[in-house]
Amino acid sequence: AQKITQTQPGMFVQEKEAVTLDCTYDTSDPSYGLFWYKQPSSGEMIFLIYQGSYDQQNATEGRYSLNFQKARKSANLVISASQLGDSAMYFCAMRDVTGANNLFFGTGTRLTVIP
Amino acid sequence: DTGVSQDPRHKITKRGQNVTFRCDPISEHNRLYWYRQTLGQGPEFLTYFQNEAQLEKSRLLSDRFSAERPKGSFSTLEIQRTEQGDSAMYLCASSLGTGGPTTNEKLFFGSGTQLSVL
Repeated sequence: AQKITQTQPGMFVQEKEAVTLDCTYDTSDPSYGLFWYKQPSSGEMIFLIYQGSYDQQNATEGRYSLNFQKARKSANLVISASQLGDSAMYFCAMRDVTGANNLFFGTGTRLTVIP
Repeated sequence: DTGVSQDPRHKITKRGQNVTFRCDPISEHNRLYWYRQTLGQGPEFLTYFQNEAQLEKSRLLSDRFSAERPKGSFSTLEIQRTEQGDSAMYLCASSLGTGGPTTNEKLFFGSGTQLSVL
């Protein structure tokens, strides 16, 4: 069964500092994809970054990077140089071969950026 | 480039009434998904369409729920005889792909319809 765990209900970060949001996952499929989405108060889920299970390098997209540790089954999101607009809910999600039609989400972490 | 749009943004209804939500995906996207998100939780998969065919339904989709995607364009999600437990955000997402869904398929979401059942 798929499982995504986000253990941090809320995080605070000072503006311009970096922050790491934790995500661990569980799957028995060797092929899977890991995603991070941002959900501001408007409700829309915004795609941030993707990591494939066979990717050799950690994914990066601008200020977002994914710290992928396959043996530990973790896929932490690192946001560098935090901005006030980064305040939002952040969701880790996974899609594997068994449940390919379903992007399975964690419970999310609420990030607050302090000026 | 318009994104996924959902209508209405908010819906308040009384228990027992029927409600219908609409989703317009990104125009060239052939796949459409419905998710439900309750307070403090991540979105949960409800159903999936490839073009006009509904290919998968979650066990969360009780017989009071029905989704359609006529002509493979917009989709509607209807809830009959609403219950207070149906109160949630209903999110629609779309994607473009060939063959079956793949593990790297990125979904584009709308802003959702917030349903409150009194």
